[in-house]
Amino acid sequence: DVKVTQSSRYLVKRTGEKVFLECVQDMDHENMFWYRQDPGLGLRLIYFSYDVKMKEKGDIPEGYSVSREKKERFSLILESASTNQTSMYLCASSLLAGGPGNEQFFGPGTRLTVL
Amino acid sequence: QQQVKQSPQSLIVQKGGISIINCAYENTAFDYFPWYQQFPGKGPALLIAIRPDVSEKKEGRFTISFNKSAKQFSLHIMDSQPGDSATYFCAASRGNYQLIWGAGTKLIIKP
Repeated sequence: DVKVTQSSRYLVKRTGEKVFLECVQDMDHENMFWYRQDPGLGLRLIYFSYDVKMKEKGDIPEGYSVSREKKERFSLILESASTNQTSMYLCASSLLAGGPGNEQFFGPGTRLTVL
Repeated sequence: QQQVKQSPQSLIVQKGGISIINCAYENTAFDYFPWYQQFPGKGPALLIAIRPDVSEKKEGRFTISFNKSAKQFSLHIMDSQPGDSATYFCAASRGNYQLIWGAGTKLIIKP
């Protein structure tokens, strides 16, 4: 069964802390994505990766960085967490980036609260 | 031109009724239009998708209607059930480029 797992379901951090969100997929997918989800704003793409060590900025990359050292793992890093980064973070993977049959499989999400 | 505009933001429908969610796009190069369904506490999951060479696709109680000339597509849920209560996202993509997402619709089906 297809699976995308995220390291934490809930996370509470302090302003200024460095935060790591981990995502692992077991489908040998080339593409992995990090989104944040906020009410009324839908899914906004932060970063995506189409191969190991490759990354592309999405729509809202400011304040975030990513790391993909292995095909199955894609990490989102908040270098210095701020309260406006309080959100639900969703990781997804797909065989290809878009188009028919390139279904994105999502993890359950990490709800991050920055105090 | 890359946006996908989704409406309404929220929708309440009586059990047994028809739920309709609409999306509009500008980029005529989009060639793939999926709908994703997200239950509380879960990530979104693909529900149904359509390509612009057909005007309608039906899977059970879920139907996508596609109007290429109007650059609009919609999701219809027939005989809506409380278990359909979820957030629905439309999206679009062109070729192998990443999905462009609508803002989502929170659907509540009242028993």
